Parts: sequence; C-alpha cells; structure tokens
Amino acid sequence: GENVEQHPSTLSVQEGDSAVIKCTYSDSASNYFPWYKQELGKRPQLIIDIRSNVGEKKDQRIAVTLNKTAKHFSLHITETQPEDSAVYFCAASTDAGNMLTFGGGTRLMVKP
Amino acid sequence: DTGVSQNPRHKITKRGQNVTFRCDPISEHNRLYWYRQTLGQGPEFLTYFQNEAQLEKSRLLSDRFSAERPKGSFSTLEIQRTEQGDSAMYLCASRRQGNTEAFFGQGTRLTVV
Repeated sequence: GENVEQHPSTLSVQEGDSAVIKCTYSDSASNYFPWYKQELGKRPQLIIDIRSNVGEKKDQRIAVTLNKTAKHFSLHITETQPEDSAVYFCAASTDAGNMLTFGGGTRLMVKP
Repeated sequence: DTGVSQNPRHKITKRGQNVTFRCDPISEHNRLYWYRQTLGQGPEFLTYFQNEAQLEKSRLLSDRFSAERPKGSFSTLEIQRTEQGDSAMYLCASRRQGNTEAFFGQGTRLTVV
C-alpha cells in the first residue's frame, strides 16, 4: 500500500519568512496530492491540491510542487503570518477508491 | 450547515462498553470515509462506502469495528468491547466519486477509561 513520509515534524519561522514542507510517497499509481491544514481541535481543511498531470500550482501565498519521477511533493508558504500556525498534513490517493494516505504532519509555528 | 456533520462530538466510555458514532455527509457526495486520528499523527484510513456499499476496509479495522451506510446517506461506526487503545479522534469525510476534494467532519473524540 501507499506510504507517505513528511518532513519536518515541526517548523518554526519568523513572521514574513517562507516555510517549506516536504513529502515523499511510494505508490507510483498515486495521482492526487492534497494538503490539509488542521488547527487545534478543528477539522482538517483543504488548502491546496495538485494532480499528477501538473508540476506546480499556486494560490496566493501558497504553492505546491510535484516531482513524479522522484515521488515527492512540497508545500511552500510565503510571507507567513501568525494565523498560518497550525498542523499541516500532506496526503496522496489513487483513482482506486480515492482514500487518502496522510503524512505524519508538520506543526508550523509562526512567531510574530 | 451543509458540511459533514458528526455526532457526538465527544464520548467517554468505560472499557468493554460498545459505542456508536454517526456521520452525515454532504448530501450529493456518494463516497463516505472513516479515518482515525491519534494525537500528533495524521488521520489513518479505516473504511469507505460508495453509496451503501462498503468497498474497502483497512487492516486497522478489527472485527470489533463495524460500519454501515444503510441507505447511502448517513453512516454509523460501531466499536464493540472498547479498549483503551481505541481512544482517538474518529473523522468522517465525504466526496463525490473521482479525485475531488474530501470534506471532513469535526470528528468524534473517543476516550476509553
């Protein structure tokens, strides 16, 4: 089955700096890669996703890149703000069932 | 609220008791998923339904766990003879068939004492 590894597990940045979170996956059949943000005690919420036919996608301060050959994808947050502080999860899924395999999460702390 | 709804939000039970959780998905979503999340970890897939059919179950889903979606709308997850290791957040998610966004409920936090 699919295995998703996520690094780092914690990340502390100054407000205004960039943050990068990296994930690798094992199943070459995976073709959908969402990123979820989870604030303490709340539900995971999708912030951006990318499909395997695209190498990069951007939405304001957030971007995701995908390298299918190397089986890794990354989340980039620019101009970080204190409200970006949360746990971020990467995930991967295939067309068969579309169930998500999540990484272990990254706790991002943005210091004002 | 047209999002995914889960009840109860919190459940404290004694070891050995049975518990049942309910998930109401977004109405036009035919796929419904159950995940379990322990503290500091990512959600782990348990099982999913396409309409009323349960199509896959994870190895994590022991025979003490059973899930149903009788009319292809809401779903229930029952845990029999609860153990302390069952303490976790149980998340439900729904989506339309295909690689589209999965929407999560707020979860049911189970504590087994």
